[in-house]
Order: sequence, then C-alpha cells, then structure tokens
Amino acid sequence: QMLLVQSGGGVVQAGRSLRLSCAASGFRFTGYGFHWVRQAPGKGLEWVADIHQDGNIRHYADSVRGRFDVSRDDSKSTLYLQINSLRAEDTAVYYCATDRRVASLDVWGPGTTVTVPS
Amino acid sequence: QSALTQPPSASGSPGQSVAISCTGTNNDVASYDYVSWYQQHPGKAPKLIIYEVNKRPSGVPDRFSGSKSGSTASLTVSRLQAEDEADYYCSSYAGENTVFGTGTKLTVL
Repeated sequence: QMLLVQSGGGVVQAGRSLRLSCAASGFRFTGYGFHWVRQAPGKGLEWVADIHQDGNIRHYADSVRGRFDVSRDDSKSTLYLQINSLRAEDTAVYYCATDRRVASLDVWGPGTTVTVPS
Repeated sequence: QSALTQPPSASGSPGQSVAISCTGTNNDVASYDYVSWYQQHPGKAPKLIIYEVNKRPSGVPDRFSGSKSGSTASLTVSRLQAEDEADYYCSSYAGENTVFGTGTKLTVL
C-alpha cells in the first residue's frame, strides 16, 4: 500500500523558515517524481513545485520561485520542501503527491498545515 | 501561470449526468494530452480520478469520464450518486510546470 506521511507544519512568524517532510512507504521511491501542492483556507489547489525521479530537474511556481526549495533523499524515501522568508500568503495546507507519469498526481499525503500570522 | 477556468458550481439529481468544463490556453490544455481531474471531499486530500485526458486509475468507477477539445477539457459524471458531491479540480501539464483549475463544487440535489 502506497503511503505518504507528512510532517513539519506549524505556526511560524513571517520572515522565518520551515522545512516540510513527506515520508514514503509501500512503493519504490526512486521510481517516482513528486509534487508539492498547497491550498489556502477556503481556496482552491495551487501547484507549488515538482522534482523529477533523478532529483536533478525541479520546477517552481512563479509565486514561490527563489524562496522555496524542493529536494529528495532517496536513502530515506523522503521528500522535502524548504520554505524561506515565510509570508502571510504562504498560509495553507501543503500536500505532497507522487507522479509516475506526467503531471498526474496519483497518491496524495494527508497534508500539513502552515500558518504565518499576519 | 494563470489558473485554468472552471465554473464555480454544478449540480444534478441522483441518476442524472453532469459535465464540468475546464478551459485553458495554447500553453497548457491545447498543447498537451496531460489533463487530470481530482475529486476532493471537505477536509480530505484530493483524489485522482482521471489522467491523460480520459484514463481512469484502478478503482475509479466508470461513471467518471474525461474528454478534451482544443483548449477545453471536460469531466462527465454519469448516474450521479450522493457521494459524488465534492469539489472537482482539473489540472494540465504546461511545459515546465503544472497548473490547476479554479475548482467546481458539485452538488447532488
């Protein structure tokens, strides 16, 4: 059974940093690319970033490029999202998701909540 | 990276069919057959129900179907059931990124 367990969310002051984690189990981690997607309170889904299987190809939404960094540790079957210079508008539930095709987010984590007080 | 356009709401009675549109541009929907659809119930993570325009993952009922014409993709839910009431989002590959739709709240009357 493919499973993604997320951690790292919390209440963080503006300007600080945070690292989200997404630990995978039940499947061959190295065979998948991954995405991060966020959802602000009461709003729709917003794609944030992706990382390909080999870890060398990464893409970011314009709204986060330069502040967010996606990475993966294949030895730990874990995906990360480093968020720097947090802003109030980064407040959202952050989801990680697998992708074994192209922009097809197959399995989703439960989400972790990041709150940046304004 | 503008969001794909979906109607805010859609509705239908049990047993009926409803279609939800998803309009993009030449940079996304029109250029790639990588349109996906997701179902999200309140407080839950999204669930993939259609990928590559019209393919269903294992376990997704055949009541869900997808299509595309030009820059507009569509999700059709046939034989509506109460449990289909949820938010639905489309997404498309757009070259170096992925873009989601604005979302549609489906109400089963």
